[in-house]
Amino acid sequence: QLVLTQSPSASASLGASVKLTCTLSSGHSSYAIAWHQQQPEKGPRYLMKLNSDGSHSKGDGIPDRFSGSSSGAERYLTISSLQSEDEADYYCQTWGTGTVVFGGGTKLTVL
Amino acid sequence: EVQLVESGGVVVQPGGSLRLSCAASGFTFDDYAMHWVRQAPGKGLEWVSLISWDGGSTYYADSVKGRFTISRDNSKNSLYLQMNSLRAEDTALYYCAKDKRLRFVSYYFDYWGQGTLVTVSS
Repeated sequence: QLVLTQSPSASASLGASVKLTCTLSSGHSSYAIAWHQQQPEKGPRYLMKLNSDGSHSKGDGIPDRFSGSSSGAERYLTISSLQSEDEADYYCQTWGTGTVVFGGGTKLTVL
Repeated sequence: EVQLVESGGVVVQPGGSLRLSCAASGFTFDDYAMHWVRQAPGKGLEWVSLISWDGGSTYYADSVKGRFTISRDNSKNSLYLQMNSLRAEDTALYYCAKDKRLRFVSYYFDYWGQGTLVTVSS
């Protein structure tokens, strides 16, 4: 079964960097994912598509502070030079034929 | 600029029906598959359904299969979700989202709307 696992919460200081993790279920380590950001009281925003080899393509207007990487079944979103507006929920998403799966989301707090 | 504007969300009784709409602009609507995604209050995102750019293929989450129907009118740049036999657990903010790739179902989304709230309650 295709499942994505995310830690419920993360925190980091203003100006620092943070690395969020999304883990693919067993047997699905080659799958690409997408990262989406949801700021409070807003609709989600597409950040990037991230492939198993770590290559990624970002959405329109996404700053260079956002980057992605991969290792095995783990997919990462790194945000550098954290800003207050980065405080948000971050969701990873993957897919199979005829279905789409979301991770449970990580709530990022900027201290 | 891509814009997706959902409408039609209201309070409806259990067992009732509702049709949501999504008005699209800023891109060639009939070149892209479209999705509905929902978010229950205080919860995460749940994919609901997708329709191919030409309407020829549709897919549904198991939780809504047989109760919801996705459709589109390319002449009106509009996406729809017909929701029947509504349950309390269908209460959510419903988002429409644009698929990323031209004339190919990529299954991920590069633009989202702001959502419309459906409340199922007696």
